[in-house]
Amino acid sequence: KAGVTQTPRYLIKTRGQQVTLSCSPISGHRSVSWYQQTPGQGLQFLFEYFSETQRNKGNFPGRFSGRQFSNSRSEMNVSTLELGDSALYLCASSSGRGGLPSTDTQYFGPGTRLTVL
Amino acid sequence: QQPVQSPQAVILREGEDAVINCSSSKALYSVHWYRQKHGEAPVFLMILLKGGEQKGHEKISASFNEKKQQSSLYLTASQLSYSGTYFCGTGGATNKLIFGTGTLLAVQP
Repeated sequence: KAGVTQTPRYLIKTRGQQVTLSCSPISGHRSVSWYQQTPGQGLQFLFEYFSETQRNKGNFPGRFSGRQFSNSRSEMNVSTLELGDSALYLCASSSGRGGLPSTDTQYFGPGTRLTVL
Repeated sequence: QQPVQSPQAVILREGEDAVINCSSSKALYSVHWYRQKHGEAPVFLMILLKGGEQKGHEKISASFNEKKQQSSLYLTASQLSYSGTYFCGTGGATNKLIFGTGTLLAVQP
């Protein structure tokens, strides 16, 4: 079974721009979660989607948004980029059969490294 | 609230054992453990659920004390391949998975 894929792997943007990141979950998985990873803060939860609905959201500003499509693929968008948005953005998929991401094994993709100049 | 991991970093020789602890101030339904090598995605190691169910890696063991909201990961007879950063993720009433800041483990020959 193919793993979680994320595109692009690397991005360089300038302040004020917006960016869209894509995540394709493991086949059959219906839940996709997004995380921001920085050296100082570790892995920070952004949001989780299940069957095209956002089930949970972390403490990030509204500039961070996401969506999930009927095939479970997910995108996250960051508008009006700031220097502090530079990070590794990871998505993780889970089957969703466990009902909750907190009790379901998460499988991570390789991440998208975003650099904001 | 972010769980607290200890120690922050540990250096081992091959064959030595290590324990990594994860502690939360909130009631937990689950604890997840992941290992991340530099430049790679976090890899699932183990999940421990309230009630005693465990799923995970055969060569790694862990404990989950629900009353104390604590978990420990036990790495025995460490190998060079064990090197990396270990994260615990805790699941509680909010259903979000909240990760600790990680424990850096370096295994030397």
